[in-house]
Amino acid sequence: DGGITQSPKYLFRKEGQNVTLSCEQNLNHDAMYWYRQDPGQGLRLIYYSQIVNDFQKGDIAEGYSVSREKKESFPLTVTSAQKNPTAFYLCASSTGTGAGGQPQHFGDGTRLSIL
Amino acid sequence: GQNIDQPTEMTATEGAIVQINCTYQTSGFNGLFWYQQHAGEAPTFLSYNVLDGLEEKGRFSSFLSRSKGYSYLLLKELQMKDSASYLCAVYSGGYNKLIFGAGTRLAVHP
Repeated sequence: DGGITQSPKYLFRKEGQNVTLSCEQNLNHDAMYWYRQDPGQGLRLIYYSQIVNDFQKGDIAEGYSVSREKKESFPLTVTSAQKNPTAFYLCASSTGTGAGGQPQHFGDGTRLSIL
Repeated sequence: GQNIDQPTEMTATEGAIVQINCTYQTSGFNGLFWYQQHAGEAPTFLSYNVLDGLEEKGRFSSFLSRSKGYSYLLLKELQMKDSASYLCAVYSGGYNKLIFGAGTRLAVHP
């Protein structure tokens, strides 16, 4: 079955530590996205990529980094510069940008907490 | 600016009908999506509207009025499994991205 796989499901970060969240899709989608979800708030866009080897900052990119070396993979690194990283992180992909009505398909998320 | 408003919480009875409203302001509107999200899980796509009117898909329908910046999601014959958050998201051509509302948490009671 095609889908988006995020790992790990739960992740703990120590002070000063960088951690990387994995996102893999086998839907052959060009576009991939990372969102952060906090209680009582909408999904906020961290980074997105419309094509391999290219990505753009979203609304809250500070303290995060990404890479898009393969079409299937879009890992997110939460760096020590992100002072409030505790949140639910969602990865998504779509065939296009959404302008044509293509829905985004989401992974099951990674819940990151601070030790 | 860009803004999406939805009620924070709603409750309804099993078997009933519920309407979840969404109002939006954005640059270059280019479509509105509704997603369902159960607690701790991934959002799943429910519907898409880009033209005014009603789109029906089984027990779920979604309505759009572009002139009023307004949409609603209508859920009929409510079931307990419909207890979830419902996210309204607007595609902004001006910002070239999908903008999400905070979601409406629906609780369905027997």
